[in-house]
Amino acid sequence: DVKVTQSSRYLVKRTGEKVFLECVQDMDHENMFWYRQDPGLGLRLIYFSYDVKMKEKGDIPEGYSVSREKKERFSLILESASTNQTSMYLCASSLGYGSVQPQHFGDGTRLSIL
Amino acid sequence: GIQVEQSPPDLILQEGANSTLRCNFSDSVNNLQWFHQNPWGQLINLFYIPSGTKQNGRLSATTVATERYSLLYISSSQTTDSGVYFCVPPVGGTSYGKLTFGQGTILTVHP
Repeated sequence: DVKVTQSSRYLVKRTGEKVFLECVQDMDHENMFWYRQDPGLGLRLIYFSYDVKMKEKGDIPEGYSVSREKKERFSLILESASTNQTSMYLCASSLGYGSVQPQHFGDGTRLSIL
Repeated sequence: GIQVEQSPPDLILQEGANSTLRCNFSDSVNNLQWFHQNPWGQLINLFYIPSGTKQNGRLSATTVATERYSLLYISSSQTTDSGVYFCVPPVGGTSYGKLTFGQGTILTVHP
């Protein structure tokens, strides 16, 4: 089974802090994704990566950056956390380029910015 | 992109009941995922079903791509089936499989 592991289940940070959310997958997947989920807004794509050191903006990239130095790891960075970034963050991975493969999700990180 | 309409938006069942959730799409889809998000927020893959029918225990899914709909059947529902169900096609024109999530169907199963 595919395993996508997010580093924290719950996280509390302060406004202005630099926050790192880590995601690791164990299936050698090329594609990795970061979403946030908010009540009434559903899941929205922040960034995705289709290869090491490659990244693409999703629908709501403002205030975020990402890093993919190794194939198995995809980090989401909040450069200067703000209260409107309080949310549930979900990481996903999928196989391959050129054919759409199912995405597998981690358990999510509930991030609170105070 | 493809618009997704899920029905019903909310569903309340007694344990043991059967149910059918439906997704209609604004355009034909060539692949589709069904997810269950449990009350703890975990998103669980149920099916990857471009077309046809798949079964997994008490759950089965059918996609008729040419008629632009998919159905999820839950038989003998259990309280652990509670949560939100999403049917999710990929964003059109992408090779990376970006997904667009709708609002889903909220299922509550009472003991």
